Amino acid sequence: DAGVTQSPTHLIKTRGQQVTLRCSPKSGHDTVSWYQQALGQGPQFIFQYYEEEERQRGNFPDRFSGHQFPNYSSELNVNALLLGDSALYLCASSLGDTTQYFGPGTRLTVL
Amino acid sequence: GQQVMQIPQYQHVQEGEDFTTYCNSSTTLSNIQWYKQRPGGHPVFLIQLVKSGEVKKQKRLTFQFGEAKKNSSLHITATQTTDVGTYFCAGIFRDSWGKLQFGAGTQVVVTP
Repeated sequence: DAGVTQSPTHLIKTRGQQVTLRCSPKSGHDTVSWYQQALGQGPQFIFQYYEEEERQRGNFPDRFSGHQFPNYSSELNVNALLLGDSALYLCASSLGDTTQYFGPGTRLTVL
Repeated sequence: GQQVMQIPQYQHVQEGEDFTTYCNSSTTLSNIQWYKQRPGGHPVFLIQLVKSGEVKKQKRLTFQFGEAKKNSSLHITATQTTDVGTYFCAGIFRDSWGKLQFGAGTQVVVTP
């Protein structure tokens, strides 16, 4: 039984570019949450998807958007990248509002 | 706003000693979860506390949830080198369905 998977593992972009990160939830899970973790800090909640709808959103600008597909996988899109967007992006899956299990993350570097 | 604060930020421990990390919330939590993140890794779920005054143990780890559901602690006895990492508490506030609010974490360094 595969856990949460994310792709790519690492990514380098330049300012102003756009990026798409992908997440496949743990088998049996229907909810996907995205978090941003800057170096030395705790993860910050970006948003959560359930039944293909954005259910909750944290304090992130509209440059951050997402999508959930019928198979429960999800994408995180970030437009007009800024240097400050450099971080580890974590996806967590759960069955509804139960325990969230995190994937290995995507390390995004913006130059 | 709703915040979760965690202290200490760093903890240097001699192997074999005990230590405690504390978590406090600005308002009442629905539940609190604890995660461990090894250097270069991702947060790994340790435990969830839901009930007021709840105490749970996992081998050398003891987790407590305060009576008012506004604070929590993680106590590790007889620290081992395998305990190295950052321990995060993450709370879920009422009416914030599944949105984990993480503390800043306690980075633990173990000296042999």
